[in-house]
Amino acid sequence: KNEVEQSPQNLTAQEGEFITINCSYSVGISALHWLQQHPGGGIVSLFMLSSGKKKHGRLIATINIQEKHSSLHITASHPRDSAVYICAVKDPGTYKYIFGTGTRLKVLA
Amino acid sequence: NAGVTQTPKFRILKIGQSMTLQCTQDMNHNYMYWYRQDPGMGLKLIYYSVGAGITDKGEVPNGYNVSRSTTEDFPLRLELAAPSQTSVYFCASSYGTGARDTEAFFGQGTRLTVV
Repeated sequence: KNEVEQSPQNLTAQEGEFITINCSYSVGISALHWLQQHPGGGIVSLFMLSSGKKKHGRLIATINIQEKHSSLHITASHPRDSAVYICAVKDPGTYKYIFGTGTRLKVLA
Repeated sequence: NAGVTQTPKFRILKIGQSMTLQCTQDMNHNYMYWYRQDPGMGLKLIYYSVGAGITDKGEVPNGYNVSRSTTEDFPLRLELAAPSQTSVYFCASSYGTGARDTEAFFGQGTRLTVV
């Protein structure tokens, strides 16, 4: 079992739909990161969470430390949101990031 | 602008050639990382550093070397390039104190082809 599990692996949505991507982890962490990678593009950090909820534009990230679970929500999705979304945690013992397998999102116009 | 700067963005190498991928950050981050990403796959850790003068191997270190003589720079050296090293390479950095961590910043990537 991977230490960081993401679901779904692939997601196709219609423009305007509300999208949720889930991340569960089994290790102790100080923070969880959500990253975005457009096809053929670089990697951008969207959020870093250690508790509660953060919002940036149409993106909302939540984390429940007790349940070891985080969600990334996209409201009013748009084709430009099409990308791979990656959940990552840092192992506090080794300082290495542990990545989820990523969720490939495609938003259709 | 502050961030992680990687050079070059693209490179074609012949088998057996060597090269250095440069990575510089100006955020005084202590943690720096080198990853490779093969087509359609996730990030694999090559080497990482928790501070100047300290480096350690990741999952796939064979064929690579690194150094961290300063806080800002973390170059990745490829010796005797092989086709298996064709990949996109990303450098990343963050600041942490063990109990606390900051946002991770990634370079734009270096697309390397070995022919």
